[in-house]
Amino acid sequence: QVQLVQSGAEMQKPGSSVRVSCKASGGTFNSYGINWVRQAPGQGLEWMGGIIPIFGRGDYAQKFQGRVTITADESTSTAYMELSSLRSEDTAVYYCARGYSFDYWGQGTLVTVSS
Amino acid sequence: DIQMTQSPSSLSASVGDRVTITCRASQGISNYLAWFQQKPGKAPKSLIYAASSLQSGVPSQFSGSGSGTDFTLTISSLQPEDFATYYCQQYSSYPYTFGQGTKLEIK
Repeated sequence: QVQLVQSGAEMQKPGSSVRVSCKASGGTFNSYGINWVRQAPGQGLEWMGGIIPIFGRGDYAQKFQGRVTITADESTSTAYMELSSLRSEDTAVYYCARGYSFDYWGQGTLVTVSS
Repeated sequence: DIQMTQSPSSLSASVGDRVTITCRASQGISNYLAWFQQKPGKAPKSLIYAASSLQSGVPSQFSGSGSGTDFTLTISSLQPEDFATYYCQQYSSYPYTFGQGTKLEIK
């Protein structure tokens, strides 16, 4: 049974950075991509970027270029999403999801940006 | 970027009804189209990939169709647990994009 387990809720100040982790179990981590999707309060879903661990390079939505870094640690089957220069508009639930068809999702991590 | 437009944005229906949600892509995406269900406070759940392939464990009352730019999600007989928000998503090219969502409510 594939599971994606994300790190806990974060509260950050404007201008700081946050790193969210996503640990995979029950599947072949290296050959599937991991995507990151966020959902602001009351809003829809927004793809931020993704990575295929065996290739090692992240691909990002233009909107987040320069602020987001997605990495993967094959030894621990864990993907990471780091978002920098945080602003209040980045307050959202951040999800990881597996593969091109997003077949499995993490439980979500609430990131709150507030002074 | 490829824009995904869903209609309707909201829909009221009764248990047992047949409902259809449509999704239109701003350019051709072949069959690189997925559908998701999301309930309040929960992560999205994958229903359909490749436009018409049902994810493992998803009830057969859900079906998808379409190719190119026009797609549909059909629920053949609504069950109480089906009231949720539904999203389409294209994964033909980066950036992957989602429709704005369709909220399915009980009439």
